[in-house]
Amino acid sequence: DAGVTQSPTHLIKTRGQHVTLRCSPISGHKSVSWYQQVLGQGPQFIFQYYEKEERGRGNFPDRFSARQFPNYSSELNVNALLLGDSALYLCASSPDRGGSYEQYFGPGTRLTVT
Amino acid sequence: GQQLNQSPQSMFIQEGEDVSMNCTSSSIFNTWLWYKQEPGEGPVLLIALYKAGELTSNGRLTAQFGITRKDSFLNISASIPSDVGIYFCAGGRTTSGTYKYIFGTGTRLKVLA
Repeated sequence: DAGVTQSPTHLIKTRGQHVTLRCSPISGHKSVSWYQQVLGQGPQFIFQYYEKEERGRGNFPDRFSARQFPNYSSELNVNALLLGDSALYLCASSPDRGGSYEQYFGPGTRLTVT
Repeated sequence: GQQLNQSPQSMFIQEGEDVSMNCTSSSIFNTWLWYKQEPGEGPVLLIALYKAGELTSNGRLTAQFGITRKDSFLNISASIPSDVGIYFCAGGRTTSGTYKYIFGTGTRLKVLA
């Protein structure tokens, strides 16, 4: 079975632009979470979606938004990009809404904002 | 953002040596996950722990869920060069109605052949 897939792998944007990142979870997994990982740090929680509904949100500004589709894939959108948004964006899927279930990560999308 | 404390931050060890690292918090967690991340890749799940005091192995890796539920430990026996990478712990608990994972600061492991 395929693992979590993310696209694109790399992306370069300029300040003020917006970006859309995509994630497909492991087959059968209904929960998707998004994380931001800045160089040298651990992943920081952004969103969790389960059955197309937002179930949790981390301490990120409203410029960050996400949605989940009927096939459980997900998109993360970031508007008005800032230099500080440069990071590895990770998607993780789990078989349940996250309660005591392990999360499996995709390879990530490396976003560079110039 | 909040991160859990991991120690050591980094370590150089000789091939064949055993490695120990830990993750501590002031908060109680219900789940502990341990991941390994290599450059340019996403974290790979190594071990999942669900109960205080639980000891779980995966090959040469052994992890324990601390009895206080505020810490966890990872041991690697007989290290080999491919163990190089960054090891992250993640504590899981319900916050504001959502089960969330908080990650540690990472332990960077370098193995000298």
